[in-house]
Amino acid sequence: AQKITQTQPGMFVQEKEAVTLDCTYDTSDPSYGLFWYKQPSSGEMIFLIHQGSYDQQNATEGRYSLNFQKARKSANLVISASQLGDSAMYFCAARYGNNRLAFGKGNQVVVIP
Amino acid sequence: DVKVTQSSRYLVKRTGEKVFLECVQDMDHENMFWYRQDPGLGLRLIYFSYDVKMKEKGDIPEGYSVSREKKERFSLILESASTNQTSMYLCASSHHRGLNTEAFFGQGTRLTVV
Repeated sequence: AQKITQTQPGMFVQEKEAVTLDCTYDTSDPSYGLFWYKQPSSGEMIFLIHQGSYDQQNATEGRYSLNFQKARKSANLVISASQLGDSAMYFCAARYGNNRLAFGKGNQVVVIP
Repeated sequence: DVKVTQSSRYLVKRTGEKVFLECVQDMDHENMFWYRQDPGLGLRLIYFSYDVKMKEKGDIPEGYSVSREKKERFSLILESASTNQTSMYLCASSHHRGLNTEAFFGQGTRLTVV
């Protein structure tokens, strides 16, 4: 199975501060896509941001940015200026040549006022 | 507005029953996926399909089968439900074009097998 690793325990972050969520992946494929999803307590999966393996620049989407370090096989999500509504589970995912979409175990983030 | 719809939000079934979980998407996507989500384990791929009548096993296919007779519909079948299949089941779909297309998810079905 394709391996996506998210090892951080639950995180508490102060409102308006930035938080970084770690993700590493394991592939020898030269071409792949990386994704982050948010799952609030209501349960729906919300797509946040993606990065292609050949993209030269780190992806950004509003307050979300992806710190892509290809040589280290890491794709960390940075959320700037945290808001109370950012409290959720966050999942890192990767799609490789076989077109499967594999997910990590997730990071729980709680934003405190 | 893109949509992936799962037929039930909550489902309670008895051990040994045959269970059908239905998923429909209206985006003309080629790929469809079934995952189960358990606390501490993330999302694990059960089966996926890249075309009508085509299917591939994911990481945990045991005890499950799938059916894709029409492009928009992907069904997950529990042939004989067991208590260890109590879980949240998530359906997703995506276009087949390239590795950078995101998947869209349904609202999930929380299945309890008693």
